[in-house]
Amino acid sequence: DAKTTQPPSMDCAEGRAANLPCNHSTISGNEYVYWYRQIHSQGPQYIIHGLKNNETNEMASLIITEDRKSSTLILPHATLRDTAVYYCIVSINDYKLSFGAGTTVTVRA
Amino acid sequence: GAVVSQHPSRVICKSGTSVKIECRSLDFQATTMFWYRQFPKQSLMLMATSNEGSKATYEQGVEKDKFLINHASLTLSTLTVTSAHPEDSSFYICSARVGFGRETQYFGPGTRLLVL
Repeated sequence: DAKTTQPPSMDCAEGRAANLPCNHSTISGNEYVYWYRQIHSQGPQYIIHGLKNNETNEMASLIITEDRKSSTLILPHATLRDTAVYYCIVSINDYKLSFGAGTTVTVRA
Repeated sequence: GAVVSQHPSRVICKSGTSVKIECRSLDFQATTMFWYRQFPKQSLMLMATSNEGSKATYEQGVEKDKFLINHASLTLSTLTVTSAHPEDSSFYICSARVGFGRETQYFGPGTRLLVL
């Protein structure tokens, strides 16, 4: 599976959009981009995934660049409950997920 | 979304004893379940993959005789930490997958193990 690079941390203001970047320059054609998050002392939570088209669900939007070498997870209106570690994972399918260090997102009032 | 439960949520045991952790998929049948371990301030590390009715596949460096995994039904997998030692103290998390074609793994809330 391709490796991903994420910033170690970022802050965002409550009510504003949070844009979380992820680089995956070695992604192959059949690999998906998955996003999970882990709130402190809980199990990870699935957010969204995509192959090449942009995706949106009730939690977030996923924007994947045309060359697929990077992506951005957008939380449209961040709340304090969105404070968590966000993991960007690239995988052929969700069979084996390799978690990196992720981005620690702190939403501030 | 699908729900995965774990029991117990926290356990404290003495060194040398065995601890069993249960992972259940509550509203779906899981063909595959995974067990992860997470040490403080670190990311999740996959320990093993189990498919219902067959032996678990362990990741490199994980002792299969120490971490016994049983996946006897499509809704239950168990992890038994045998002869636990303080270095086994960790956060153990399971996940369940419906099957190829479904988009995601669903994770349990985790079990915090403290070995004294």
